[in-house]
Amino acid sequence: QVQLQESGPGLVKPSQTLSLTCTVSGGSISSAIFYWTWIRQPAGKGLEWIGRIYSSGRTNYNPSLKSRVTISIDTSKNQFSLKLNSVTAADTGLYYCAGRSGKYYEGLDSWGQGTLVTVSS
Amino acid sequence: QSVLTQPPSASGTPGQRVTISCSGSSFNIGSNYVYWYQHLPGTAPKLLIYRNNQRPSGVPDRFSGSKSGTSASLAISGLRSEDEAVYYCAVWDDSLSGPVVFGGGTKLTVL
Repeated sequence: QVQLQESGPGLVKPSQTLSLTCTVSGGSISSAIFYWTWIRQPAGKGLEWIGRIYSSGRTNYNPSLKSRVTISIDTSKNQFSLKLNSVTAADTGLYYCAGRSGKYYEGLDSWGQGTLVTVSS
Repeated sequence: QSVLTQPPSASGTPGQRVTISCSGSSFNIGSNYVYWYQHLPGTAPKLLIYRNNQRPSGVPDRFSGSKSGTSASLAISGLRSEDEAVYYCAVWDDSLSGPVVFGGGTKLTVL
């Protein structure tokens, strides 16, 4: 099972861009059966799926966030990243990266510990 | 408001059996597989059930899942204190809400 670790600023100013990186270890991010996902938990709320990326670079996004989100992958660094622009206080929360190995079909079976991002001036 | 509806809370005493429901529509539960995640405080969510009723390796058989029509359920038997967590259902959605939607989560308290 691969390990994932999120990194990035814990504080972002309103209207700016939230940028997070997820580093994958214990396996190759380029494996064709994997895809990589960002999920968040806004303060006081439940989980929200942000989007996913395959090693090929193909992406899918949550329609409610699609206009502000970009997920990219860097296979040379075994990392994938999230950019969310024009952030507001509503984007404050815990952000998780997760991976799907295919062993359990569409189940996300590897998760990072999560990183707290606060949007505040 | 989530596309999938879960009760916000559930509770039980040690040894009891509890059930958590997840209600959706023909666009999601009615046409796709349901997954369940366990989210313990301060930890990453964990895959608990996949494809409606399958358990990943290492998940005790006290946990079981089922689906009927546009609803799904997670059952926990022989309740233990360590089962106290938030439980989420998740499913692919074929409408504009998709691709993946989570339920609002159910906080399970072991009394």
